[in-house]
Amino acid sequence: NAGVTQTPKFRILKIGQSMTLQCTQDMNHNYMYWYRQDPGMGLKLIYYSVGAGITDKGEVPNGYNVSRSTTEDFPLRLELAAPSQTSVYFCASSHRDKPYGYTFGSGTRLTVV
Amino acid sequence: RKEVEQDPGPFNVPEGATVAFNCTYSNSASQSFFWYRQDCRKEPKLLMSVYSSGNEDGRFTAQLNRASQYISLLIRDSKLSDSATYLCVAGRNFGNEKLTFGTGTRLTIIP
Repeated sequence: NAGVTQTPKFRILKIGQSMTLQCTQDMNHNYMYWYRQDPGMGLKLIYYSVGAGITDKGEVPNGYNVSRSTTEDFPLRLELAAPSQTSVYFCASSHRDKPYGYTFGSGTRLTVV
Repeated sequence: RKEVEQDPGPFNVPEGATVAFNCTYSNSASQSFFWYRQDCRKEPKLLMSVYSSGNEDGRFTAQLNRASQYISLLIRDSKLSDSATYLCVAGRNFGNEKLTFGTGTRLTIIP
């Protein structure tokens, strides 16, 4: 049981480039989330999804897009990367009916130069 | 006001001591509560859920005070391996949708 898998683990982007951060879970969780965490700061919610075909904005959605075509996958797209998007990105998932909180992926460290 | 507030610390505690963290939440409708642990450069991991009646897991005890809207975590007989950042978490419903994370309290256990 792999849990939540994120790829890549590290990436350096140039300003203006685009990329997709991949996230997949094999726990049949309904909910999935994308967070960013800047050094010494808390987690900020970018986007979340309560099920396939449904996505919604979190507190810091600008510059990002998501899709949820399957229960398992929740990719995060960065368009026109900016230095302000340098951060660690965590994907997480949870089950709607089980009070066990979130399971996080191991994160993607992104640097935009 | 932040939805979930924690003292950022750092707390530097000698090995074997007892340490306690508090956290306050602003949304009185919050239904689910957790403590997460995050090691340096790692993902947050669930430490324990927090139940209304309080709960214990080995050396860790969590308490919830709904009237005052605060959550506490007590660590007894602290170990070097307890060094980490502890995140307080509150959710608006039982189903874990959109949990709100505190910024964390950093704990260092000193030999």
